Formats: sequence, structure tokens, C-alpha cells
Amino acid sequence: DAMVIQNPRYQVTQFGKPVTLSCSQTLNHNVMYWYQQKSSQAPKLLFHYYDKDFNNEADTPDNFQSRRPNTSFCFLDIRSPGLGDTAMYLCATSSSLGPNSPLHFGNGTRLTVT
Amino acid sequence: DQQVKQNSPSLSVQEGRISILNCDYTNSMFDYFLWYKKYPAEGPTFLISISSIKDKNEDGRFTVFLNKSAKHLSLHIVPSQPGDSAVYFCAASAWGNTGFQKLVFGTGTRLLVSP
Repeated sequence: DAMVIQNPRYQVTQFGKPVTLSCSQTLNHNVMYWYQQKSSQAPKLLFHYYDKDFNNEADTPDNFQSRRPNTSFCFLDIRSPGLGDTAMYLCATSSSLGPNSPLHFGNGTRLTVT
Repeated sequence: DQQVKQNSPSLSVQEGRISILNCDYTNSMFDYFLWYKKYPAEGPTFLISISSIKDKNEDGRFTVFLNKSAKHLSLHIVPSQPGDSAVYFCAASAWGNTGFQKLVFGTGTRLLVSP
């Protein structure tokens, strides 16, 4: 089955220690997204790629960066995680930028910063 | 500033009855609305959507109603089944100045359908 896969499912890192979360897709979708969801809050868009074009949300902290080396893979790098970065990180894809292309989500990586 | 609001964190319904999940929004520029369903330990999955030019969209047991004047939409599940127990997220989108339809999510409503 075509899908969106996130690794690892759970990640624990220390305050200030860089961490990388990965996402791969077999859907061959042009668009990939990273969302952050804190406990009891709505998923919040961090950034998205349309092919190799990167778009950062205005309120995404500078601490968060992303790489998309090819269509299938996308990475979320957190350079110096703080305690407030503890959250579920969701990767999603869509075939186009329009609303008629629903997002396909991975199962998420739950990040805990200690 | 929460532009999409789901004011009921949880809802309990008996199997076979109707479930009604509500969502309110504040941004009049939103022109497309979606519902996603999330089971524990899984990512959200798309359920149903509606364009702002319509007031109703139906897909099997699921119907979404849109009241633009009230900036309100609702998801009806009839009849409800225990397998419908999940968190339901309302989402809305509008074209941004980068040519991108950004989705804004609500905080979700946890539906529990009991046998």
C-alpha cells in the first residue's frame, strides 16, 4: 500500500541536543508538510515543500529546519530542542497545493525533550 | 488566535444514534472545509470535505453541513458505530499569497460510541 512512513515513532532527546525526524512516502506526491501537535492542541503547520520549493510559516521558530533531498524523503531538524518542543510531529503529503487534494498523514513521531 | 474552534472536547453517543460534531470558524476567507478522523497511535485520515459554494455534502453515513452566515459547520454520523470512536478534527483552508491553500485545524473532538 502506498503510504507515509515516519521514523522513529518515539524519540527522546536532551535539552539542546540536535535531533532529526524523518518521513518517507511512496505516494509520489509533490507536496510534503510538517505539522507540530502539542498535547490537546490543534496540529500547527511548520513548513511545506512543493517539489523542492520550501515554504516556512512565519511563526515557525528558527530552531526548526527541513530538508527534502528527493521526492520521497523529507527531514525535520531541530537544532537545539527546548522543553517546549515536546510534541507529536506529523508528516503529511498531498498531490497538489489545492484543497481538493486531501493530506495523507504518517503516524507521527512523538518527541520528548528532557 | 484560534481561527477554527471545536468547542466540545468530547462526545459520547450510543451505537445506532446520530453523532453531531460541531465546528466554528472566524476567517471569512476560508473557502474549503474538511474533516479528518484520528485513531490512537495513527495519523489523521481524510473523511469528508465541503466547498464554500455548497451547504451539504454526503458520503454514506457521513454528512457535512455548512452554514456560511453563521461560520459554522457540522459533521453528522448516522447511524453511529463503535468503530467510529476516534478524534475528529475540523480543518479549513484559504488561498494564501504564496498560491498555497493552508489548512488550519481545530483542536479536535473525541467521539466515543458505546455498544
